[in-house]
Amino acid sequence: QVQLQESGPGLVKPSQTLSLTCSVSGGSISSGAYYWSWIRQHPGKGLEWIGHIYYDGSNYYNPSLKSRLTISADMSQNQFSLKLTSVTAADTAVYYCARSVRFCRGNSCHPWIDPWGQGILVTVSS
Amino acid sequence: DIQMTQSPSSLSASVGDRVTITCRASLRIITYVNWYQQKPGKAPKLLIYTASNLQSGVPSRFSGSGSGTDFTLTISSLQPEDSATYFCQQSYSNPVTFGGGTKVEIK
Repeated sequence: QVQLQESGPGLVKPSQTLSLTCSVSGGSISSGAYYWSWIRQHPGKGLEWIGHIYYDGSNYYNPSLKSRLTISADMSQNQFSLKLTSVTAADTAVYYCARSVRFCRGNSCHPWIDPWGQGILVTVSS
Repeated sequence: DIQMTQSPSSLSASVGDRVTITCRASLRIITYVNWYQQKPGKAPKLLIYTASNLQSGVPSRFSGSGSGTDFTLTISSLQPEDSATYFCQQSYSNPVTFGGGTKVEIK
């Protein structure tokens, strides 16, 4: 079955760029059946959807993060990545990568998220 | 953004109890609600998709219902391993949003 694993630095300085990679095994990110997503969870808090990328390179970003966010994919490595610029302490969170199952009706899709990676804690601090 | 309001924020129940968690959407979202279970230090796990469909491998004591704005996750007979936080999520429109979570504890 598909498995996802986040990697990247656990500590980032304020104003710098947070960069994470998600390695996917047991399935291909070239599949048109899924979005490849990032979600974060602030310590002790709820979940915040960051954005996703589709196999054709199209993506959707949470408007609250859009100006600082880039999600990209490397099909040859079966990986996708997140870059968040100009980070502050408010970006301290556990970051999850995940596969979102595309359930489409008409012109819109209504994904559910399964499975998730184990998550990586990223702390923004000097 | 669509707001998802979950209630209660926490509950305590005994093994064997029937437990109900509700989620209310800020506008009508048909049946585009999914439910997740998260245990401490772990990633969320999908339980129910599109309001009432049980994810493969999830015990049948979990069920979901609802449409429009009001949705329910029910655990028919609470088990010790069900101690966790449960989240609803709407996928009607972007951005996807989540409820604030319900922490379920075993008495």
